[in-house]
Amino acid sequence: GEDVEQSLFLSVREGDSSVINCTYTDSSSTYLYWYKQEPGAGLQLLTYIFSNMDMKQDQRLTVLLNKKDKHLSLRIADTQTGDSAIYFCAASNSNSGYALNFGKGTSLLVTP
Amino acid sequence: SAVISQKPSRDICQRGTSLTIQCQVDSQVTMMFWYRQQPGQSLTLIATANQGSEATYESGFVIDKFPISRPNLTFSTLTVSNMSPEDSSIYLCSVATGGDEKLFFGSGTQLSVL
Repeated sequence: GEDVEQSLFLSVREGDSSVINCTYTDSSSTYLYWYKQEPGAGLQLLTYIFSNMDMKQDQRLTVLLNKKDKHLSLRIADTQTGDSAIYFCAASNSNSGYALNFGKGTSLLVTP
Repeated sequence: SAVISQKPSRDICQRGTSLTIQCQVDSQVTMMFWYRQQPGQSLTLIATANQGSEATYESGFVIDKFPISRPNLTFSTLTVSNMSPEDSSIYLCSVATGGDEKLFFGSGTQLSVL
């Protein structure tokens, strides 16, 4: 099955940029996603990228996709304390249609 | 985007009992899914809830333990049967709206089994 790997922790200072990295194994994954989970809450879809794109920008968020290396990253510009959360990378599952395979999540801590 | 209401938001249950979790969407959706998030872990797909037919379960999950209903295009239930402490998790409903590949999640049900 699909493996999605992420680094577990990242700490940045307020105002700096954060970069969260993810690798996946299924080269046929059509869509790749970033979700944010705040303590005690469900998952919020932040952004997603189609596999034929290499970059997508949405306000402070930039997603970069290297399909050859199966590497995905999420850059958060001007990181704020409210960005502290767990960020999950997910890849669409070629066997299950819309169902997704998730990484274990990267816990982002933003310090003042 | 779809607005997903999931209830209960949390519950504490006794071993051996069952809990039914409801998921209501504000619009008709093509696909509904149930995920489990064990403490400190990522999300694992339990099953795809099919409208008008039996759910499709992933490896390691069975209908007797996690019966699922989906009577229409806006509603689904997941039952966690004969619970044990190992079932303590967050259970999340998710939906895919037709026409694009976005998958939205409910706020989850935090289940603790004593």
